[in-house]
Amino acid sequence: NAGVTQTPKFRVLKTGQSMTLLCAQDMNHEYMYWYRQDPGMGLRLIHYSVGEGTTAKGEVPDGYNVSRLKKQNFLLGLESAAPSQTSVYFCASSYDTETQYFGPGTRLLVL
Amino acid sequence: GENVEQHPSTLSVQEGDSAVIKCTYSDSASNYFPWYKQELGKGPQLIIDIRSNVGEKKDQRIAVTLNKTAKHFSLHITETQPEDSAVYFCAASPPLGSARQLTFGSGTQLTVLP
Repeated sequence: NAGVTQTPKFRVLKTGQSMTLLCAQDMNHEYMYWYRQDPGMGLRLIHYSVGEGTTAKGEVPDGYNVSRLKKQNFLLGLESAAPSQTSVYFCASSYDTETQYFGPGTRLLVL
Repeated sequence: GENVEQHPSTLSVQEGDSAVIKCTYSDSASNYFPWYKQELGKGPQLIIDIRSNVGEKKDQRIAVTLNKTAKHFSLHITETQPEDSAVYFCAASPPLGSARQLTFGSGTQLTVLP
């Protein structure tokens, strides 16, 4: 039981490039979330999903897109990366609407 | 929306002493308050949570108190140990119809000095 896994662990992009971050969970959770973590600002919700095929915007959705084609996977896409998107990205999942389980994070550097 | 303020941003204590981290929230409808611990290079991990119908909850050396009237809640760690050193985040969530959207505090770096 791996819990929540994230791919890749670290990535460097040039401004304007695109990429997709993959989150996978093997706990059969309905809810999945993408957060970004910046120094001194805690965790901010980007997008979330309440079930397969559904997505919704969080606090800071601009510049990101998401898809939940399979229950166990939640993808975060950056179509045209900007230096302001340099951050650590965390995925989380939950069975109900409370306890969230976090992945190990993806460090993204946009030059 | 919800706003969560967390203090202090850094806290150093001697091993064996107690540590207290405080958070305030703005949305009186919030009714779920988890605390997460984040070790270096890892994702946050839930350590304790409290709901608005409870004033205090304990789990071994960790306790959380909630004052709904004042809209603040606190994390108390007693008999601190070096392995308690980490970043701690509080969060608050309103009772939304679908997924709860947690709003996190900015974090407290706790250092336990041997």
